[in-house]
Amino acid sequence: GQSLEQPSEVTAVEGAIVQINCTYQTSGFYGLSWYQQHDGGAPTFLSYNGLDGLEETGRFSSFLSRSDSYGYLLLQELQMKDSASYFCAVRDFNQGGKLIFGQGTELSVKP
Amino acid sequence: KAGVTQTPRYLIKTRGQQVTLSCSPISGHRSVSWYQQTPGQGLQFLFEYFSETQRNKGNFPGRFSGRQFSNSRSEMNVSTLELGDSALYLCASSGLAGGGDTQYFGPGTRLTVL
Repeated sequence: GQSLEQPSEVTAVEGAIVQINCTYQTSGFYGLSWYQQHDGGAPTFLSYNGLDGLEETGRFSSFLSRSDSYGYLLLQELQMKDSASYFCAVRDFNQGGKLIFGQGTELSVKP
Repeated sequence: KAGVTQTPRYLIKTRGQQVTLSCSPISGHRSVSWYQQTPGQGLQFLFEYFSETQRNKGNFPGRFSGRQFSNSRSEMNVSTLELGDSALYLCASSGLAGGGDTQYFGPGTRLTVL
């Protein structure tokens, strides 16, 4: 089976740095992805970690440690527009490659 | 390229009815996946199609079915609707078999069952 855990909500102020953690339990892990979804919108792809380490894309970075079954999304220089839900997702190849999503973390950025 | 499109965007049905939702993937993409999103359950995988073949199926009852056409467009059908089927139904396309890890989502169809 599989499960992913991430905090349900996080609050931070503009300009700050926030880290959203994701722990997973899956028997056939193949990489960790992150998606952003604004209220009423479609999820959009942010990043993918297939190997351990840090991937950086502008203000966003994502990290994976396969030995710890853990990853995180780091958002720097927070802006109001970053207020959204963030989902981690893993592909479980013991379940035919299904993409399994976490429950999502709602990030609120305050002025 | 045009993005993923879904029709209709909003739908209201009553219990017992059936519904068909449509998804047109990004041009050239052959993989289409469907997800159900509800506040309590998050994003739940329904099924994935690649080149007209169902590659994977989630843990949903047989009332949920889908298909993919030769032009990669996909439809999902829900029969005998229940109140609990009220949700946002999202489809996502990818250029890779197995969906790849970059899924491009459509805006969704919001289904309300009364």
